[in-house]
Amino acid sequence: NAGVTQTPKFQVLKTGQSMTLQCAQDMNHNSMYWYRQDPGMGLRLIYYSASEGTTDKGEVPNGYNVSRLNKREFSLRLESAAPSQTSVYFCASRASYNEQFFGPGTRLTVL
Amino acid sequence: RKEVEQDPGPFNVPEGATVAFNCTYSNSASQSFFWYRQDCRKEPKLLMSVYSSGNEDGRFTAQLNRASQYISLLIRDSKLSDSATYLCVVNNIGGSYIPTFGRGTSLIVHP
Repeated sequence: NAGVTQTPKFQVLKTGQSMTLQCAQDMNHNSMYWYRQDPGMGLRLIYYSASEGTTDKGEVPNGYNVSRLNKREFSLRLESAAPSQTSVYFCASRASYNEQFFGPGTRLTVL
Repeated sequence: RKEVEQDPGPFNVPEGATVAFNCTYSNSASQSFFWYRQDCRKEPKLLMSVYSSGNEDGRFTAQLNRASQYISLLIRDSKLSDSATYLCVVNNIGGSYIPTFGRGTSLIVHP
């Protein structure tokens, strides 16, 4: 089992560029999540998907879109990157109300 | 009042010391609780679940106090490798699919 995988691990963008962060899990979990974490800050929820076919906004959704492609995959898209989106992005999944499992993160820098 | 609160620390302790962290939560309907560990620039990883009767895993003991609405983590015989940020997580606040994270408590164990 690979658990939760994320690609890419690192990315540098210029302001205004777009990109998609990929996340996949092989644990057959229903719920998937995207967080961002900034230095000295806690995890902030961007979007989540309670089950295949549904997505909902979290605490900081502005500037992002998501797609729950199937049960395994949940992608995060930045349509027009801004320096304020420089962060570490974590994807997570979980089954029901159990613990979450996190991917290794994507470190994004927007110049 | 934040839904989940933790003292950010840092807690600076010598090897071999015993250290305890608390985490308070605001919603009495919360149902499940976890402690995660996060190393610098890495993803959070589950340390232990917190059960109503309290539970122990080696040097780590977690307890839940529903009356006072807090969970605790006790680390005995601290090791250098225990240095990390410890996040508490509360599930099922308001019946949502969103786990609520505290901002974490930083622990530094020195020789």
